[in-house]
Amino acid sequence: GNSVTQMEGPVTLSEEAFLTINCTYTATGYPSLFWYVQYPGEGLQLLLKATKADDKGSNKGFEATYRKETTSFHLEKGSVQVSDSAVYFCALIAPTGGFKTIFGAGTRLFVKA
Amino acid sequence: EAQVTQNPRYLITVTGKKLTVTCSQNMNHEYMSWYRQDPGLGLRQIYYSMNVEVTDKGDVPEGYKVSRKEKRNFPLILESPSPNQTSLYFCASSLGAGYAYEQYFGPGTRLTVT
Repeated sequence: GNSVTQMEGPVTLSEEAFLTINCTYTATGYPSLFWYVQYPGEGLQLLLKATKADDKGSNKGFEATYRKETTSFHLEKGSVQVSDSAVYFCALIAPTGGFKTIFGAGTRLFVKA
Repeated sequence: EAQVTQNPRYLITVTGKKLTVTCSQNMNHEYMSWYRQDPGLGLRQIYYSMNVEVTDKGDVPEGYKVSRKEKRNFPLILESPSPNQTSLYFCASSLGAGYAYEQYFGPGTRLTVT
């Protein structure tokens, strides 16, 4: 079946450090891939997405590239800020499986000043 | 402002007392969904709706009911809540069920069943 695996947290970084959160997926066909972010006390919101292989999604300094050969969609940011502290979810929608969004377990990020 | 609203945001209730969590979206979205979020388990889909009067079970539908009488509203009903339904609940909507459509989430409802 379709699934998403992302690195366990929490991830703790100092301000201005480089961030990578790993995400790999299993899916039939060519899924769309998403990163959602959940700030404390709020619902999830879309951070970025990519709908085909080699696409790069980007937003607010975050980037992720759809790598079909490694079935990955790793999230990166060159210099994190305290305000980036949140839980990050990798997700996919596959053309099979009723277009259901499959979420990873989430990775909590703490950024220290 | 485009948004998904949920009410109440916090609810403490007792076992067996029926409750409804409301969800409304103002974006004319066709697809709506309910999730529960539990530590270590991520988000699990409870029910979803492709359009008015069309609903279907997600991964964890037991103990829940939904209805979709109007496009904008998608209430979640717990007929006889139990402590294992203590969780954080999110309603979400998207333009459609196509595979490129991102979801828009409400702020969440934290439910405690004692």
